[in-house]
Amino acid sequence: GQQLNQSPQSMFIQEGEDVSMNCTSSSIFNTWLWYKQDPGEGPVLLIALYKAGELTSNGRLTAQFGITRKDSFLNISASIPSDVGIYFCAGQNSSYKLIFGSGTRLLVRP
Amino acid sequence: NAGVTQTPKFRVLKTGQSMTLLCAQDMNHEYMYWYRQDPGMGLRLIHYSVGEGTTAKGEVPDGYNVSRLKKQNFLLGLESAAPSQTSVYFCASKEAGDNEQFFGPGTRLTVL
Repeated sequence: GQQLNQSPQSMFIQEGEDVSMNCTSSSIFNTWLWYKQDPGEGPVLLIALYKAGELTSNGRLTAQFGITRKDSFLNISASIPSDVGIYFCAGQNSSYKLIFGSGTRLLVRP
Repeated sequence: NAGVTQTPKFRVLKTGQSMTLLCAQDMNHEYMYWYRQDPGMGLRLIHYSVGEGTTAKGEVPDGYNVSRLKKQNFLLGLESAAPSQTSVYFCASKEAGDNEQFFGPGTRLTVL
């Protein structure tokens, strides 16, 4: 089945630093999504990308849909303590199923 | 709107016991999903439903059954729990034609 490789697995950064994480796939996706999971909660959608090459921002977050449609990245600028959590990429081809990456655990040192 | 709710929040079972996890959504969504989350493995789809009365297998369906008798509810059953089913279970729902899945807060299940 389709698999997503998400990296890095974890990051421990200083408040104020920028963060970058990415996902790659052996298969093409029509849509890429990025979710954040706060400790003890379910994932919440951050950004959705619908076209190859698309670059979308949401506040301090920026995500891109790779030209090959097999990858996506998420950047967080000027990190703050509330950015702590697990970030998941997800790819979608069918109208109802998502394939999730294994997650990037982000810790921010104040 | 409460969104997606899950009961119970925590549960400890002994091997061989059975239980049902309940997911409810008040957004009138057509699609509902059950995932399990294990360390380092992200979210894996167990079963899903594209409408009332329909269910389908996901990536890891073995050992689980589901039912969608009412549009707003999606039940996940474990007939004979095994330690390998120790996990955090998430329910999600979405509207047909939309991409965003809305997740519940999760159920932490431990099987001894």
